[in-house]
Amino acid sequence: GAGVSQTPSNKVTEKGKYVELRCDPISGHTALYWYRQSLGQGPEFLIYFQGTGAADDSGLPNDRFFAVRPEGSVSTLKIQRTERGDSAVYLCASSLIAGATGELFFGEGSRLTVL
Amino acid sequence: AQRVTQPEKLLSVFKGAPVELKCNYSYSGSPELFWYVQYSRQRLQLLLRHISRESIKGFTADLNKGETSFHLKKPFAQEEDSAMYYCASRKPGAGSYQLTFGKGTKLSVIP
Repeated sequence: GAGVSQTPSNKVTEKGKYVELRCDPISGHTALYWYRQSLGQGPEFLIYFQGTGAADDSGLPNDRFFAVRPEGSVSTLKIQRTERGDSAVYLCASSLIAGATGELFFGEGSRLTVL
Repeated sequence: AQRVTQPEKLLSVFKGAPVELKCNYSYSGSPELFWYVQYSRQRLQLLLRHISRESIKGFTADLNKGETSFHLKKPFAQEEDSAMYYCASRKPGAGSYQLTFGKGTKLSVIP
């Protein structure tokens, strides 16, 4: 595809359930990022991958959150024992190169609602 | 920690009027600064970055280190400029990848 693809676009789940959100970056982009955007806020950094490895996961709020990128392309954000406070839009972005000059290309986001 | 402040949640201007979207950053060094825009029902996208010193869609932004500001300006607003605008910063250096975003300003251009 031409852009970053995220699925599902919407996910409604119950408190305590497990959720997976998928991101398919632009082909050839080695850098991949996850951000979280709560209502009325700007995006907040969660984790950054360079290739298959998580180069910076300092933004993950707690150990219920985990992300993988096993083959250096598609990434999955996993949230265990979801809480109502996890409700947000989860944005994925990719860039051709990492670092200061790399423009980020964002997906449309996955809106997670925890009831 | 870095902080980016956008003091206005909503800014309404008439078509043809000048626009200034304010952004202040807290980092004491020389961060990389960006403006991202999200049009209705579209994804977040880069508008401009300060290192390029570019003008995109008539918008410019000047870095003022003394005031730690990076305000976005356009001399004559157009209806199609209506959107959410986010200012973002990133620490300089090869090991820095995190963007810190402000809360955003919704620009509404009145016809």
